[in-house]
Amino acid sequence: DAGITQSPRHKVTETGTPVTLRCHQTENHRYMYWYRQDPGHGLRLIHYSYGVKDTDKGEVSDGYSVSRSKTEDFLLTLESATSSQTSVYFCAISGDYASSTDTQYFGPGTRLTVL
Amino acid sequence: AQSVTQPDIHITVSEGASLELRCNYSYGATPYLFWYVQSPGQGLQLLLKYFSGDTLVQGIKGFEAEFKRSQSSFNLRKPSVHWSDAAEYFCAVGAEYGGATNKLIFGTGTLLAVQP
Repeated sequence: DAGITQSPRHKVTETGTPVTLRCHQTENHRYMYWYRQDPGHGLRLIHYSYGVKDTDKGEVSDGYSVSRSKTEDFLLTLESATSSQTSVYFCAISGDYASSTDTQYFGPGTRLTVL
Repeated sequence: AQSVTQPDIHITVSEGASLELRCNYSYGATPYLFWYVQSPGQGLQLLLKYFSGDTLVQGIKGFEAEFKRSQSSFNLRKPSVHWSDAAEYFCAVGAEYGGATNKLIFGTGTLLAVQP
């Protein structure tokens, strides 16, 4: 299995509070992704990174920001959490962004509940 | 628009029976196709992938999938299901997105239950 960890694994927070999720990889892969998984929607891309300090938006990026100061860490921040952001969040990594053939490997997920 | 459809939300099969999970995609260029499996409370594990060449692809755990361009399909099959195969299965297509070429578009998943 690819060396990907996510922290925390579970979190319950209140509406309006900031939340940061961390993805850590030991594979030295260049590309990292944040997805959210919701029933009936599969997984949807929030943000992705193609290198240190290089990030871009995915299809459901509103209300989320990301940062990548080191190759191994990719942070997802909810500046002011809302109930609609209750979801399971997955981090993924891949080695070759330039190729659609490259496989993405997924972390174990973080279950976030916003009350 | 690029999309992936998994028409079966939930399937139940008996242990030892054969399995086929359907996946249809909509994508203008040559698709790069993936099947992932997710056990309860776990992340996604890659079962197999198709990039080019032989349209019948072998994966892990005895799974295979066949790419049929004429039908825009990439169905997953297993000849004999084991109880440990109970999980949710996701089909995905690798697609271009902005300047990136490595975005995955997922189907909504098929939940497989296995009866003893």
